[in-house]
Amino acid sequence: GAVVSQHPSRVICKSGTSVKIECRSLDFQATTMFWYRQFPKQSLMLMATSNEGSKATYEQGVEKDKFLINHASLTLSTLTVTSAHPEDSSFYICSARSPGQKNTEAFFGQGTRLTVV
Amino acid sequence: QQPVQSPQAVILREGEDAVINCSSSKALYSVHWYRQKHGEAPVFLMILLKGGEQKGHEKISASFNEKKQQSSLYLTASQLSYSGTYFCGTRSSGAGSYQLTFGKGTKLSVIP
Repeated sequence: GAVVSQHPSRVICKSGTSVKIECRSLDFQATTMFWYRQFPKQSLMLMATSNEGSKATYEQGVEKDKFLINHASLTLSTLTVTSAHPEDSSFYICSARSPGQKNTEAFFGQGTRLTVV
Repeated sequence: QQPVQSPQAVILREGEDAVINCSSSKALYSVHWYRQKHGEAPVFLMILLKGGEQKGHEKISASFNEKKQQSSLYLTASQLSYSGTYFCGTRSSGAGSYQLTFGKGTKLSVIP
């Protein structure tokens, strides 16, 4: 099946710094990628929809200036957590779908465990 | 709107069966089931489309009742490897971006 690679898998950063997370579709072109955040023992909450070549669409309550999303190519979307704070510590997961296929699964990356100290 | 999953948690002995339910207050186009183990990303199990279809994957099957906007995941003769948290993700009818909204999950623990 299609593979989505996310990097890094774990990152620890100091409060106030920025962290970039990459999401790559390895064997297909993804015009749309989704970014989720998952707090311990909770569900995956959609943060934003990343569209190649255009601005991302953010869900209500997600600060677009804090969570910068760039989808510069059909195989790469990045999420940058700016001025990170301890409350941003979470599991961030991206997913991607092959374009033109309506009823297919969304492939998830491995996830990134962010810890802000 | 987030779909509602039940039960929240279930403990099974190896070989026992379980049913996990997922219901929505919105008309659904499709239901996606995933299993997530601790610290890992969700793993896809199956998709069900409107039309009341039923699917199977090894000893795991699911049904989708479009009229009731409900889906159920059936795990038969459970194995230790079935342990994890099961999420249903729903796509509403008319949603153009294919985004999924996930339920809160059902934690399944299979013990020897």
